[in-house]
Amino acid sequence: DTAVSQTPKYLVTQMGNDKSIKCEQNLGHDTMYWYKQDSKKFLKIMFSYNNKELIINETVPNRFSPKSPDKAHLNLHINSLELGDSAVYFCASSRKLGLGAAGELFFGEGSRLTVL
Amino acid sequence: AQSVAQPEDQVNVAEGNPLTVKCTYSVSGNPYLFWYVQYPNRGLQFLLKYITGDNLVKGSYGFEAEFNKSQTSFHLKKPSALVSDSALYFCAVRDSGGNNRKLIWGLGTSLAVNP
Repeated sequence: DTAVSQTPKYLVTQMGNDKSIKCEQNLGHDTMYWYKQDSKKFLKIMFSYNNKELIINETVPNRFSPKSPDKAHLNLHINSLELGDSAVYFCASSRKLGLGAAGELFFGEGSRLTVL
Repeated sequence: AQSVAQPEDQVNVAEGNPLTVKCTYSVSGNPYLFWYVQYPNRGLQFLLKYITGDNLVKGSYGFEAEFNKSQTSFHLKKPSALVSDSALYFCAVRDSGGNNRKLIWGLGTSLAVNP
């Protein structure tokens, strides 16, 4: 009964390939996120969806495309993988932010992507 | 511009001693402040938050943090460190105004508690 689950946990692939990471949360949260953590542990937000609507879209190459089929799922598809895409990608969820209500983020365990 | 600074890349402390992990922030409105912990090869876990009210906030695993508005700081503390506290700690801030959907993250502080 993991709260935020991501698959796969590890992904090793060649440059130029296309890959997807899936995320599901069973917390009933409205908002989901994708974060990238690089080798120096720097955390960078990529995307956020609130109830299937894209609300945060940071400066990310358009090779990265998120998709939220419903508010419990947020997937990340990456086209034409590059060496620099190697990182750990974290999915997270929270109750809806805004309206003066601060939210706590619940993170998945991460998906370690290695591009060779 | 909104920002969060964690001035120490690494903090070393002996088991049983008090620990402090520092965080300072800069936001335009009232800050909402958070601490998270990341154990090796795991996702981040929420520790505690300051929204309003008491400046001393208590959180998980015996951690607490003190909000200091004049010094724009939100340092994480624990009276007696455990070896199991060794992890990466992130401070984050959300501006109560402006784009309040995004957290601004510090670069993290690696805490090593020595037996």
